[in-house]
Amino acid sequence: DAGVIQSPRHEVTEMGQEVTLRCKPISGHNSLFWYRQTMMRGLELLIYFNNNVPIDDSGMPEDRFSAKMPNASFSTLKIQPSEPRDSAVYFCASSLTQVMNTEAFFGQGTRLTVV
Amino acid sequence: KQEVTQIPAALSVPEGENLVLNCSFTDSAIYNLQWFRQDPGKGLTSLLLIQSSQREQTSGRLNASLDKSSGRSTLYIAASQPGDSATYLCAVSAGKSTFGDGTTLTVKP
Repeated sequence: DAGVIQSPRHEVTEMGQEVTLRCKPISGHNSLFWYRQTMMRGLELLIYFNNNVPIDDSGMPEDRFSAKMPNASFSTLKIQPSEPRDSAVYFCASSLTQVMNTEAFFGQGTRLTVV
Repeated sequence: KQEVTQIPAALSVPEGENLVLNCSFTDSAIYNLQWFRQDPGKGLTSLLLIQSSQREQTSGRLNASLDKSSGRSTLYIAASQPGDSATYLCAVSAGKSTFGDGTTLTVKP
C-alpha cells in the first residue's frame, strides 16, 4: 500500500477563498483522522471518522471548517472562507479501527498558507 | 481534559550516547500510547505502540515503557546516531488521541 495520500502537498491561497484538502486513507482502514499542526498549538485533532461516519468533530475550530467522508477511500477537509490564521500543516491519518485504537499512520501533510 | 507533556523540549547529544525521552499524561484512562518521529517538513512516522495492558515495546534500538498508573512513558534510544535527529512525539489515545509538543533531538557526529 502507498500509505495515506494527501493532496495537495502545498497550497497558497488568498484570504476569503475556499480551500479543499484531500485524503486517501490506507485501504482497509476504518478510521480516519484530520489534524492541524502549528508552532503555537502543536498537533490538534480536528475531527475523526469511523466507518465513514463522523464520531467527534469537537476539535473543528469554527463553522468555516467542514469535513466529509463520502466513502471508505476518500475524505475532504474544507475551509470556507479561509483566513490567514488558518495557515498550518494539515495531516490526515488512518488506522485499522478506532475502537481497538490500533496504530495510526499519517500522510505527508498539506502545508496551507493563507495570505 | 487530557494533557500530555514531553520533557525535555530539546536535547542535543553526541553520537553513540544512550538517551531517554519522557512523556507524561494527566488522565490514566487510556487505550494506548504511541510514539512518533517527525522529520522537518514531513509527516509523522509511527515508532512504537503500547496498549494500556502492556508495560513496554521494543523495536531495534528503541524501547518504550508505559506506567499507566503514574501517567508516564519513556522512549529509550540506544547507541544514538545522527540519523536519529528528529522530533519525537508521544500521543495518548482514549477514543481520540492527544499529542505532546514533542522533543527535538539532535545527535551530533
